[in-house]
Amino acid sequence: GAGVSQSPSNKVTEKGKDVELRCDPISGHTALYWYRQSLGQGLEFLIYFQGNSAPDKSGLPSDRFSAERTGGSVSTLTIQRTQQEDSAVYLCASSRKLTSASYNEQFFGPGTRLTVL
Amino acid sequence: SQQGEEDPQALSIQEGENATMNCSYKTSINNLQWYRQNSGRGLVHLILIRSNEREKHSGRLRVTLDTSKKSSSLLITASRAADTASYFCATDVLYTGANSKLTFGKGITLSVRP
Repeated sequence: GAGVSQSPSNKVTEKGKDVELRCDPISGHTALYWYRQSLGQGLEFLIYFQGNSAPDKSGLPSDRFSAERTGGSVSTLTIQRTQQEDSAVYLCASSRKLTSASYNEQFFGPGTRLTVL
Repeated sequence: SQQGEEDPQALSIQEGENATMNCSYKTSINNLQWYRQNSGRGLVHLILIRSNEREKHSGRLRVTLDTSKKSSSLLITASRAADTASYFCATDVLYTGANSKLTFGKGITLSVRP
């Protein structure tokens, strides 16, 4: 059984370049989250996709960050003109409905470690 | 402000002792979940407790929920060195229409000394 997968696992880029991070959620999971975690820190919420509803983008730190989810499945997080402070582990998680108004546990991918030189 | 806040931020105990970690939150919840993260890895779900439940057990884990105090505790009994990790509480909250959203706290670092 496939879990949540993310690619690449590691990405080293130069300041100013654009990067794309990919997340493949578990099939059938309608909710998909992106988080960022700096070394030794907690999870920073970035963006949340829930079914056909408009995504909650309230956590995106700047307009250099964007994300899309095509066909309700695969998601791509794009960071334009990367800065050194963007260096972190980017985690993706998906979950399914528990009831009509609540969600079950989140399943996390292994993360993408982004290093901006 | 944080919806879920864990306490303490760090905990160091001897192997065999019990570890108690607390989480407080601000708004009504659908459920509360605890997760564990080993260094450098993704989070793993430990246990979920619904808003109408008061206590739940899973192996050496015991979770309580007090909705009147808006708090939860995670107890790990007979701790082992392998329990060393970061522990996060997360609250599932109804926030728009029929949608809910899971929000994580900042985490507790547990160190279990052999």
